[in-house]
Amino acid sequence: DVKVTQSSRYLVKRTGEKVFLECVQDMDHENMFWYRQDPGLGLRLIYFSYDVKMKEKGDIPEGYSVSREKKERFSLILESASTNQTSMYLCASTVPGTPSGNTIYFGEGSWLTVV
Amino acid sequence: DQQVKQNSPSLSVQEGRISILNCDYTNSMFDYFLWYKKYPAEGPTFLISISSIKDKNEDGRFTVFLNKSAKHLSLHIVPSQPGDSAVYFCAATGTMNYGGATNKLIFGTGTLLAVQP
Repeated sequence: DVKVTQSSRYLVKRTGEKVFLECVQDMDHENMFWYRQDPGLGLRLIYFSYDVKMKEKGDIPEGYSVSREKKERFSLILESASTNQTSMYLCASTVPGTPSGNTIYFGEGSWLTVV
Repeated sequence: DQQVKQNSPSLSVQEGRISILNCDYTNSMFDYFLWYKKYPAEGPTFLISISSIKDKNEDGRFTVFLNKSAKHLSLHIVPSQPGDSAVYFCAATGTMNYGGATNKLIFGTGTLLAVQP
């Protein structure tokens, strides 16, 4: 059974802390994505990666960075957490090429609260 | 700049009736569209998709209609069931993302569907 695993489901962090959100997939997918979900704003793409050590900015990269040192792992980093980064974060992975709903897999999400 | 829009933040429907969820897009390069269903505290799950070469795709109780000239798509659920209550997202991607490159998805803002028993 395919899996995208987000290691932390619920986190509470203080303003200014450095925060790491980890995502691991076991499908040998090239592409990995980080989204955040906010009420009324839907899912917005933060960063994505199409290969090891490769990354590209999505629509809202400010305040975030990412790391892809191994194919199976894509980390989202909040360098200095702020309260407006309180959100649900979703990781996804897929193969390149022709998109199909059946080949895009999401993790269960990480709820981050910054106080 | 919202490229994919769902103008109805919520929708309430009686069990057994039809649910119609709408989605509009602005980027004419989009040529593949998907609908996802999401429960709270879970990741989105894929429902149904449609390519721009079609105007309709059906899977059981779910049908997606695409009107390319209007840049509009809709999801019909018939008959609606209480278990369909969730947030529904439409998403779009385009040809420029194919061929070895990333198939990046752009999501809409979501519509909360409530099916009343």
